[in-house]
Amino acid sequence: QKEVEQDPGPLSVPEGAIVSLNCTYSNSAFQYFMWYRQYSRKGPELLMYTYSSGNKEDGRFTAQVDKSSKYISLFIRDSQPSDSATYLCAMVQGGSEKLVFGKGTKLTVNP
Amino acid sequence: DTGVSQDPRHKITKRGQNVTFRCDPISEHNRLYWYRQTLGQGPEFLTYFQNEAQLEKSRLLSDRFSAERPKGSFSTLEIQRTEQGDSAMYLCASRSGGRAEQYFGPGTRLTVT
Repeated sequence: QKEVEQDPGPLSVPEGAIVSLNCTYSNSAFQYFMWYRQYSRKGPELLMYTYSSGNKEDGRFTAQVDKSSKYISLFIRDSQPSDSATYLCAMVQGGSEKLVFGKGTKLTVNP
Repeated sequence: DTGVSQDPRHKITKRGQNVTFRCDPISEHNRLYWYRQTLGQGPEFLTYFQNEAQLEKSRLLSDRFSAERPKGSFSTLEIQRTEQGDSAMYLCASRSGGRAEQYFGPGTRLTVT
């Protein structure tokens, strides 16, 4: 079992839809959780960062962490064609330097 | 803040040749990381520097790979005797102390023919 599981999709939604992206993980020592957006042939771009359990909102993006279920989510409201990209979840243990990534979910938002 | 930069952006080389990549982190970030990403996968950790000290290396980093950060600023990653399996995107990231978020560069895409 991989430490971080993420459905690779692909996921296709119409413009304006609410998108839900998820990851599960097995290592209960993970404390810091990140979501990155990666356009084709580009480096990952940090979107959201949360520490431990809870919600964090930034504009159209909301990140949720449920440590009891070992489950994290990213919600995108009012999705736009420019949101079309691969979304990667990543997490790290306290005291560790190694980010552990999911495989990424490829999202297409259709105009 | 100009972000993390990497050079070259794309490298094509023949099997058996040596290649070297460079990473310039965000200024004042004392931690620097190298990751490798293959098609359809998330990035995988290779190695980590705090200032000039290389403090952690993954088992993915075979003896043919070496990384340096001589003055605690830019870093280089060298692959000797490249193999076709080395074809991947090599990503560099940096962060400042006291924060967990890592910021990535645009990557160097290596193609070994």
